[in-house]
Amino acid sequence: EPEVTQTPSHQVTQMGQEVILRCVPISNHLYFYWYRQILGQKVEFLVSFYNNEISEKSEIFDDQFSVERPDGSNFTLKIRSTKLEDSAMYFCASQISGNTIYFGEGSWLTVV
Amino acid sequence: DAKTTQPPSMDCAEGRAANLPCNHSTISGNEYVYWYRQIHSQGPQYIIHGLKNNETNEMASLIITEDRKSSTLILPHATLRDTAVYYCIVRDPGANNLFFGTGTRLTVIP
Repeated sequence: EPEVTQTPSHQVTQMGQEVILRCVPISNHLYFYWYRQILGQKVEFLVSFYNNEISEKSEIFDDQFSVERPDGSNFTLKIRSTKLEDSAMYFCASQISGNTIYFGEGSWLTVV
Repeated sequence: DAKTTQPPSMDCAEGRAANLPCNHSTISGNEYVYWYRQIHSQGPQYIIHGLKNNETNEMASLIITEDRKSSTLILPHATLRDTAVYYCIVRDPGANNLFFGTGTRLTVIP
């Protein structure tokens, strides 16, 4: 069964450093998402992406965050200058229009 | 998206049916009911969804009341591996997003 894959599974970074989290969505999917989950808290929407542009973003997704689909297969989330409060599990997801959203297993980011 | 209300936690004996309720009294006519679960800190896993009719797949059954204001997810023979947080989400298919609440933490007891 096709699945969303994410790398790295775990990354530790120093505060102020840039981080790129990578995702390979399911191959024929058109909509892509990033969500995050701070330890012990709810899964929170960050951003959705369609047709090579952001279609919706939350208040969390500020200027420190950016997304890109550089080569037609990968979908990346960049955090420009990490803060301690960015420590969380980040989930990538994808869907065909109007259908079920499928999630990856997540990338655990620890900012120290 | 309509809001949903779920009990914060439930227990179920291994091998018995787990019945997880969800209230969505403000659901609108074109909104679907989706169920996901999250095992420990893994990615949310799709279980099932429905609009009006009851649905069944290899994982679970979804029973939606006639007025669509509530639904029940049924895991027919719960196993220890079904211990997870279960999320009931109401979603317009035209909305390319999902909003997660706090869900129901199901604990399957040996």
